[in-house]
Amino acid sequence: GAVVSQHPSRVICKSGTSVKIECRSLDFQATTMFWYRQFPKKSLMLMATSNEGSKATYEQGVEKDKFLINHASLTLSTLTVTSAHPEDSSFYICSARDLSAGVNEQFFGPGTRLTVL
Amino acid sequence: GEDVEQSLFLSVREGDSSVINCTYTDSSSTYLYWYKQEPGAGLQLLTYIFSNMDMKQDQRLTVLLNKKDKHLSLRIADTQTGDSAIYFCAESIRTSGTYKYIFGTGTRLKVLA
Repeated sequence: GAVVSQHPSRVICKSGTSVKIECRSLDFQATTMFWYRQFPKKSLMLMATSNEGSKATYEQGVEKDKFLINHASLTLSTLTVTSAHPEDSSFYICSARDLSAGVNEQFFGPGTRLTVL
Repeated sequence: GEDVEQSLFLSVREGDSSVINCTYTDSSSTYLYWYKQEPGAGLQLLTYIFSNMDMKQDQRLTVLLNKKDKHLSLRIADTQTGDSAIYFCAESIRTSGTYKYIFGTGTRLKVLA
């Protein structure tokens, strides 16, 4: 149980285009999902906390107009990188919290590698 | 503060024990976690410890928590080549009505055959 998937696993796009990344909790409901960014050989940096049915809470320094987050259902959150540029190239990882688990453990997706040419 | 520090590299011989250390600064942490990340992959939860515990053992893994010094360690007994990966500690803190993770800088473990 507690499986989180991400789609796509890899995406290459041209500069200026927008890219959508999906994060799904497959076998549990998640009112809260988190989006992280990981630079090569670096730690995970929390970008935003996504709550179902409400606006995402962004961490300091993260542009909300650049990284659009939608959490329309208890099993799906999406991150859209708008007008992507090469500096947006990174590994994006989502996680979800299982309401019924009773602890605040997050379950992580396998990540999406974004390369912007 | 929200800084979680780890040493960057650790190299051990197969069969030896590995000890990965982590220091954190937020005393309000509720849970502390250890994750493993293999190249190009997501994070795999190894173990976690509640902040009112000082030790937890799970097969080859032993977690020690010194809350006074805000120091967490992960000991891997009988380290194998398959244990080579990056290990992240993370603390769970409550902020703005939700719990969020602050990750450490990651320790790259290399196991020599």
